[in-house]
Amino acid sequence: GEDVEQSLFLSVREGDSSVINCTYTDSSSTYLYWYKQEPGAGLQLLTYIFSNMDMKQDQRLTVLLNKKDKHLSLRIADTQTGDSAIYFCAESNNAGNMLTFGGGTRLMVKP
Amino acid sequence: GAGVSQSPSNKVTEKGKDVELRCDPISGHTALYWYRQSLGQGLEFLIYFQGNSAPDKSGLPSDRFSAERTGGSVSTLTIQRTQQEDSAVYLCASSLSPSYEQYFGPGTRLTVT
Repeated sequence: GEDVEQSLFLSVREGDSSVINCTYTDSSSTYLYWYKQEPGAGLQLLTYIFSNMDMKQDQRLTVLLNKKDKHLSLRIADTQTGDSAIYFCAESNNAGNMLTFGGGTRLMVKP
Repeated sequence: GAGVSQSPSNKVTEKGKDVELRCDPISGHTALYWYRQSLGQGLEFLIYFQGNSAPDKSGLPSDRFSAERTGGSVSTLTIQRTQQEDSAVYLCASSLSPSYEQYFGPGTRLTVT
C-alpha cells in the first residue's frame, strides 16, 4: 500500500532556507502536493508537481521531485516567522481521487 | 471567490449520540472528499464523491459512518453512536474534477465525551 514519510521537525533561523523532505512509495502517483497547516486552521494548498516533472518553482518555493528515488522536497527561500507551521506532503492515487498524506513536518522559524 | 466551508466549526457530543457534519464545496467543483485528522492516525481519507457516481467509501472506518451528497453540491457526514475514538478534526475538500488539486475547508473539530 501507499506510505508517505516525513521528518517530524525542522528548525531554521529567519532568512535562511528551509528544506522539507518527503518519501513516498506509490510509483503510479500522478500528482504530489505540499500543504501548509497553521495552528487551528485547515490545510492550505501551497504547490504541487506533476509526476513527469522534476522541478517546479513558485516565488519563494521550489519543489524537487526525484521519481527514481521517490523523493520529494520543498525548499522555502528566505524563510520568515510567518512560515512557521506544519507542512504535509501528499500523493494522489492513480485515479486522482484520494490523497495519502505524510505525518507532517513542523517548521519552526527563529527570529 | 468563496472557499470550502464547513459547519459547525466545533462540536462536542456525548458518547452514543449521532452527529452530522456539513460541507459546502467550492461552486462548480464536481469532486468532494472527506478526511479525518487525529493525533494518533494523522490525516486519513474517508470518502469521495464525483458527480452522480456512486461514492468511494473505502476509507470509512466503520458502518457507523455514512455520507451523502445532495444535488451534487452540499455533503453531510453522519456518525452514528459516536465513540471517544471518533474525536478528531473532520476535513472536507473539493476539486474541479478528480485529477485536479484539492482545496480544503477549515474543518470541524469533533469531541466525544
